[in-house]
Amino acid sequence: DAGVIQSPRHEVTEMGQEVTLRCKPISGHNSLFWYRQTMMRGLELLIYFNNNVPIDDSGMPEDRFSAKMPNASFSTLKIQPSEPRDSAVYFCASSFNDGYTFGSGTRLTVV
Amino acid sequence: GDSVTQMEGPVTLSEEAFLTINCTYTATGYPSLFWYVQYPGEGLQLLLKATKADDKGSNKGFEATYRKETTSFHLEKGSVQVSDSAVYFCALGLQGAQKLVFGQGTRLTINP
Repeated sequence: DAGVIQSPRHEVTEMGQEVTLRCKPISGHNSLFWYRQTMMRGLELLIYFNNNVPIDDSGMPEDRFSAKMPNASFSTLKIQPSEPRDSAVYFCASSFNDGYTFGSGTRLTVV
Repeated sequence: GDSVTQMEGPVTLSEEAFLTINCTYTATGYPSLFWYVQYPGEGLQLLLKATKADDKGSNKGFEATYRKETTSFHLEKGSVQVSDSAVYFCALGLQGAQKLVFGQGTRLTINP
């Protein structure tokens, strides 16, 4: 198994631009999670899905953030418009019943 | 609410020293407990876990015992190596471990 696959690994964008982060979970996993990691705030859960349905999006910071999971093998996290304070590493993780498997993350820099 | 509190870092040790990273939790019910490790530039990886009281999780020389009476899950290793330098996260699993609550992480540096 290739694990959880995230793309891109690095993204540099200008303030105001739309950014889309992508995640392919492990086949057979039924839960998917998006996290944001910064030095100041640590690891924050943004949203998670179970069987492709959003269960808890209380961690999504603002309406500028949106996430979708159109099928069991793909999810996106979109930021529109992006701001410098969105700069962070964004992780996707998937699970089935017990524990998570994390992707390698997308390092987003908004200038 | 449910939460995890970890020993504040950073922690710096010499190679072959004994390691303890403290972790305590607050939870309703009986959560599963986990330790994750994050090496530089990588995502978090599961290091070990325990699913019920008195269980001991172990992996790569690391151990942690689920102590219900003290609500703790301290991480230990008898002799650390430079390659153990990383950030360590304690976590608890709610709702059948579908959703994890993470501690703030503890950065460990091992000097040769």
